[in-house]
Amino acid sequence: GAGVSQSPRYKVAKRGQDVALRCDPISGHVSLFWYQQALGQGPEFLTYFQNEAQLDKSGLPSDRFFAERPEGSVSTLKIQRTQQEDSAVYLCASSGGTDMTGELFFGEGSRLTVL
Amino acid sequence: GENVEQHPSTLSVQEGDSAVIKCTYSDSASNYFPWYKQELGKRPQLIIDIRSNVGEKKDQRIAVTLNKTAKHFSLHITETQPEDSAVYFCAVLPRGSQGNLIFGKGTKLSVKP
Repeated sequence: GAGVSQSPRYKVAKRGQDVALRCDPISGHVSLFWYQQALGQGPEFLTYFQNEAQLDKSGLPSDRFFAERPEGSVSTLKIQRTQQEDSAVYLCASSGGTDMTGELFFGEGSRLTVL
Repeated sequence: GENVEQHPSTLSVQEGDSAVIKCTYSDSASNYFPWYKQELGKRPQLIIDIRSNVGEKKDQRIAVTLNKTAKHFSLHITETQPEDSAVYFCAVLPRGSQGNLIFGKGTKLSVKP
């Protein structure tokens, strides 16, 4: 596709449920990022992949959060035993190279609401 | 770690006026400063960026200035138009980062026709 695609766009989960959020980056993009955006706030970094390697996961808020990119393209962010504070928009972004000063192309996000 | 503060949080201007948004950062070694625009319900999109070896950059009605000594950088939009209405985020890339952009909290710009 022409841009970064994320699914589902909206997800409502009951507290304690597990969720999985998918990201399809722009084809051929080496770098992939996950950000969390709370209402009225800026995006906050969660994790970074270069191809299939997860090079930085320092932003993952707890061990309930797990991300993978097994074949270096599609990525999945999994949240186990969801809590109300996990409610946010989860943004995926990709970039063509490994130059950290390159443009990030964001998806439209997955809005998670935990009841 | 790096700390980014963005002001103002909201800004309302008349169409045709200029708008200025300012961000300050704490780590003098940070070396890349992009600005992203996010329209309501849409994805953030890069509008302009500047690197630490440059003091100013312009792209049509948009400019960014960087003061490394004072550790602040600003977004300037001239001749504002209603379609400029959006939330603008500054960001900072700390030196040595693996790609961990630190974003400001955003400025909601409203341009009144």
